[in-house]
Amino acid sequence: GDSVTQMEGPVTLSEEAFLTINCTYTATGYPSLFWYVQYPGEGLQLLLKATKADDKGSNKGFEATYRKETTSFHLEKGSVQVSDSAVYFCALSDLSSGGYQKVTFGTGTKLQVIP
Amino acid sequence: EAGVAQSPRYKIIEKRQSVAFWCNPISGHATLYWYQQILGQGPKLLIQFQNNGVVDDSQLPKDRFSAERLKGVDSTLKIQPAKLEDSAVYLCASSLRTGQGYYEQYFGPGTRLTVT
Repeated sequence: GDSVTQMEGPVTLSEEAFLTINCTYTATGYPSLFWYVQYPGEGLQLLLKATKADDKGSNKGFEATYRKETTSFHLEKGSVQVSDSAVYFCALSDLSSGGYQKVTFGTGTKLQVIP
Repeated sequence: EAGVAQSPRYKIIEKRQSVAFWCNPISGHATLYWYQQILGQGPKLLIQFQNNGVVDDSQLPKDRFSAERLKGVDSTLKIQPAKLEDSAVYLCASSLRTGQGYYEQYFGPGTRLTVT
């Protein structure tokens, strides 16, 4: 079946540091890829997405590129802020054998940014 | 546009009691999902509805969990009887197929269940 592997956290960075959170996937089909963010006490929010190879998703200074050859979708940000402290989830959406869209999440990576 | 609504936000019950959660998805979203998120883990799909039919309940512990989606809109998730290991956040999400062909999920705030 499909799976998503994320780097384990927590990741602790100083403000304005460069962020990379690694994500790799396995999928039977041609999935769409997503990064979600979860702030404390809240539900998940879609951060960015990419639907085909070499697409770059971007939002709020975050970027991730769909790399089919390496089955990766790493999240990057050039300069993190304290307000970026949250848990980040990599996910894929693929067509199941039953003909419906199935979403698979990674385990999440907690980011803590210190002033 | 209103988001996905869930209630209650918090619930504390004793083991062996029953509990029910309610979800109102975004209007027009045909697909509705219930996830269980245990502290420190990613969301685990419990059940997925397409309109009012179940398309995936392979990870739903059917001896104690049940869910329904009336008229393809609101949904309730019930646990009876609850166990300590059911302590988690229960997330509801709904999705719509976009013009680009993928499904974008929208999540509610979740219900935090504590079983003592």
